[in-house]
Amino acid sequence: ELKVEQNPLFLSMQEGKNYTIYCNYSTTSDRLYWYRQDPGKSLESLFVLLSNGAVKQEGRLMASLDTKARLSTLHITAAVHDLSATYFCAVDGSGGSNYKLTFGKGTLLTVNP
Amino acid sequence: DGGITQSPKYLFRKEGQNVTLSCEQNLNHDAMYWYRQDPGQGLRLIYYSQIVNDFQKGDIAEGYSVSREKKESFPLTVTSAQKNPTAFYLCATRGLYGYTFGSGTRLTVV
Repeated sequence: ELKVEQNPLFLSMQEGKNYTIYCNYSTTSDRLYWYRQDPGKSLESLFVLLSNGAVKQEGRLMASLDTKARLSTLHITAAVHDLSATYFCAVDGSGGSNYKLTFGKGTLLTVNP
Repeated sequence: DGGITQSPKYLFRKEGQNVTLSCEQNLNHDAMYWYRQDPGQGLRLIYYSQIVNDFQKGDIAEGYSVSREKKESFPLTVTSAQKNPTAFYLCATRGLYGYTFGSGTRLTVV
C-alpha cells in the first residue's frame, strides 16, 4: 500500500524567509504532484514531476524529485503573504493499469508580515 | 471550455437520507475519481473508475456507492450507512498530463 508522508504539517513563516516542505513516499511511482489549496476551495495544480532529478520552478516555489530516495521537496524562497495556503503532495500509484492518486496530509503554510 | 462540473456546491442531508453528488466532465478522460476531505486532512479516495461500466473501491468506500453508465458522468451516492458524511467531496479525472479536479461539494448533515 502506497503511503505518502509530508512534513511539517504546520509551518509559520515570516515574509522574506526561505523554507522547505518534504514529501516522502513508500513505493516506486510514475509521477509526483504538488497542489495548493486555499480555504474552502478546490485544488490548484502547481507542479508535476515525472523523473528522477526533475526540478520545476514557478515564481517563489521550486519543486524537486529524487526517486531513489522517494523524496520530493517544495522549496519556498522569500515568502510573501500570498503564499499562505495548504500545500499537498500526491503520488500517482498504479496497481497494474489502475492509476490513483494518494495524498499526503498537507502542510498548512502561514506567512506572517 | 473543458472541465469538470460538480453540483450542488452545498448539500444538506438529514439523518437516514441518501443523497447523490453529481460529477460531469467534458474532457474526454476515461478515468474518474471521488475523494473525501475532512477539515485539516488530506484527501482520501472513495471510489474510482477507469472505464464505463466499471469501478473500484478506494480506501474508504463503506457507506458510498457509484455508477459509471456514461463516460462523462460519475455520480456518488452517500447512503444512510455512512455515519459521518459531513465533509468536502472532490471529483477528479485523469488525463495524459495529470489530474483535473472539480470545484467540490460541501456536504453537511443536519
